[in-house]
Amino acid sequence: QQQVKQSPQSLIVQKGGIPIINCAYENTAFDYFPWYQQFPGKGPALLIAIRPDVSEKKEGRFTISFNKSAKQFSLHIMDSQPGDSATYFCAASHNTGTASKLTFGTGTRLQVTL
Amino acid sequence: GAGVSQSPSNKVTEKGKDVELRCDPISGHTALYWYRQSLGQGLEFLIYFQGNSAPDKSGLPSDRFSAERTGGSVSTLTIQRTQQEDSAVYLCASSANGGTPGELFFGEGSRLTVL
Repeated sequence: QQQVKQSPQSLIVQKGGIPIINCAYENTAFDYFPWYQQFPGKGPALLIAIRPDVSEKKEGRFTISFNKSAKQFSLHIMDSQPGDSATYFCAASHNTGTASKLTFGTGTRLQVTL
Repeated sequence: GAGVSQSPSNKVTEKGKDVELRCDPISGHTALYWYRQSLGQGLEFLIYFQGNSAPDKSGLPSDRFSAERTGGSVSTLTIQRTQQEDSAVYLCASSANGGTPGELFFGEGSRLTVL
């Protein structure tokens, strides 16, 4: 059973565009939602994360929007750059404050063209 | 280096052989995770070690898969009687209690190809 659904599978935008990646979860016990960025040949790295008590979080050009009632959250990348080309994974966990396992989405391969 | 180290980076084996994959976590990290990354399948949780607690093995796909963590540090993932569907990148991660919740530090993975 896939507990975190992610779309789209791939995305191509022009430089300066605003790609949006969407995720939906089923388990209402999830209470922490990070996004990871992965470059080819590398392991994923934490990009930004949000808790369900806020509806939006911004860090630089990256913004997470969170809709608790719909059990959905999304990543927006403002003024996207070719260096943002990577695979993005949303994730969820339900043991905040301690180390805990993450359930990941299937990933979105983003390509930012010139 | 200060990051998570995995070896080998690439492993090609024949169907039916056993393989061992090694993970050396960041020093001081109490939690260690193994994930499997297959094309189009995202990151599949396999097993999780936290300190001296019993490991969470709920993600292991079959009894051919096992893992151990010695001395609370290095971990070995063993796949017995490998099958072609075991071909994937096996990622190890570690995290620290008291660190950023949900922040796992991943290694670069071990790519396994079963012929």
